[in-house]
Amino acid sequence: GESVGLHLPTLSVQEGDNSIINCAYSNSASDYFIWYKQESGKGPQFIIDIRSNMDKRQGQRVTVLLNKTVKHLSLQIAATQPGDSAVYFCAENAGQAGTALIFGKGTTLSVSS
Amino acid sequence: EAQVTQNPRYLITVTGKKLTVTCSQNMNHEYMSWYRQDPGLGLRQIYYSMNVEVTDKGDVPEGYKVSRKEKRNFPLILESPSPNQTSLYFCASSTGPMNTEAFFGQGTRLTVV
Repeated sequence: GESVGLHLPTLSVQEGDNSIINCAYSNSASDYFIWYKQESGKGPQFIIDIRSNMDKRQGQRVTVLLNKTVKHLSLQIAATQPGDSAVYFCAENAGQAGTALIFGKGTTLSVSS
Repeated sequence: EAQVTQNPRYLITVTGKKLTVTCSQNMNHEYMSWYRQDPGLGLRQIYYSMNVEVTDKGDVPEGYKVSRKEKRNFPLILESPSPNQTSLYFCASSTGPMNTEAFFGQGTRLTVV
């Protein structure tokens, strides 16, 4: 079935390092992908998105890479800060006419000072 | 401030006692949806609504009802809650059916005993 998964449930980095969070998706028909950040006690918060006609998109300190050949998505966070500590989810649009977001299970990023 | 507001934030109830979790958005979004978040399972869609009076089932609709009588509100109804509905619930809204950024509420932690 359609699913979005993350390679690692946890990732620990030092403050100032670059972080890379990976995600594999299975639905070749998905054409829109989003990364969300969820801090403890809060709802998911949009970070960055990318459409399937692109392979890279940059935001402020974040970059999303899309490799459609191997159905792989990654989120790169530059100069990781303690405030980046959270659970990160990738999501793909799926279902009929893209009526649903299918979420991965999340990667917990821990940033130590 | 653009936001999605859920109430209550926390709820403990007994099996079989009907409850409603409210969701309201102030962004004039047409698309709204409900998710539940469980450890190890990530976020799964319960129901969604593409506009007023238009609702449809998501991946895990059993035991839930929704209504969309006006654009801003999308309540989630549990007619006869059971312990397996103990979960963290999120309401989300967006301008379109999941090809755009979705805004999430703060979540409702429901415990059914």
